[in-house]
Amino acid sequence: EAQVTQNPRYLITVTGKKLTVTCSQNMNHEYMSWYRQDPGLGLRQIYYSMNVEVTDKGDVPEGYKVSRKEKRNFPLILESPSPNQTSLYFCASSLTGGGIEQFFGPGTRLTVL
Amino acid sequence: AQSVTQPDIHITVSEGASLELRCNYSYGATPYLFWYVQSPGQGLQLLLKYFSGDTLVQGIKGFEAEFKRSQSSFNLRKPSVHWSDAAEYFCALFSYSNYQLIWGAGTKLIIKP
Repeated sequence: EAQVTQNPRYLITVTGKKLTVTCSQNMNHEYMSWYRQDPGLGLRQIYYSMNVEVTDKGDVPEGYKVSRKEKRNFPLILESPSPNQTSLYFCASSLTGGGIEQFFGPGTRLTVL
Repeated sequence: AQSVTQPDIHITVSEGASLELRCNYSYGATPYLFWYVQSPGQGLQLLLKYFSGDTLVQGIKGFEAEFKRSQSSFNLRKPSVHWSDAAEYFCALFSYSNYQLIWGAGTKLIIKP
């Protein structure tokens, strides 16, 4: 089944403890992206990747890192999480950067205490 | 500036009544527009999309949307809502800037029995 998977789905952590949220797609998509969803703000793009080894900042990149060593994986790294990063995170992929329709993972709910 | 506005934070509709959710966009070129639905605690499901052509777009679950360029709008409609339609609805615009989706803040639909 074609899909985008994220792990973990739920995570509660403490301030400053490094964490990684994984994202993987099995559709051979070139483009991948991370969004965060906050009440009243919709979704906002954190980082995106046009292809392997090519990443760039979205609208809200502060406090996050990403890497794209393989086409299928696009992990989101929080080196020192803070409470303002408590949010619902979505990974998305599309065939290419200009591939307009994006496919979303199920989301990861992160709470930073 | 590119933006999506959903003017209604909440809408309450009686079961069986018709529904219209408003979406206005600002974009300098031909817009590619989407409606997504998010049920409580769930991920994002694509309801419908507009790329070009017929301005009345049919989607899943009996939803439709009409693109009106003159009004910069892409309103979502359903002739008769069911209790299972209670969810949050998001309008989104594809932007070639960062190849991202730009999201409205969402409209929460409440169904009265």
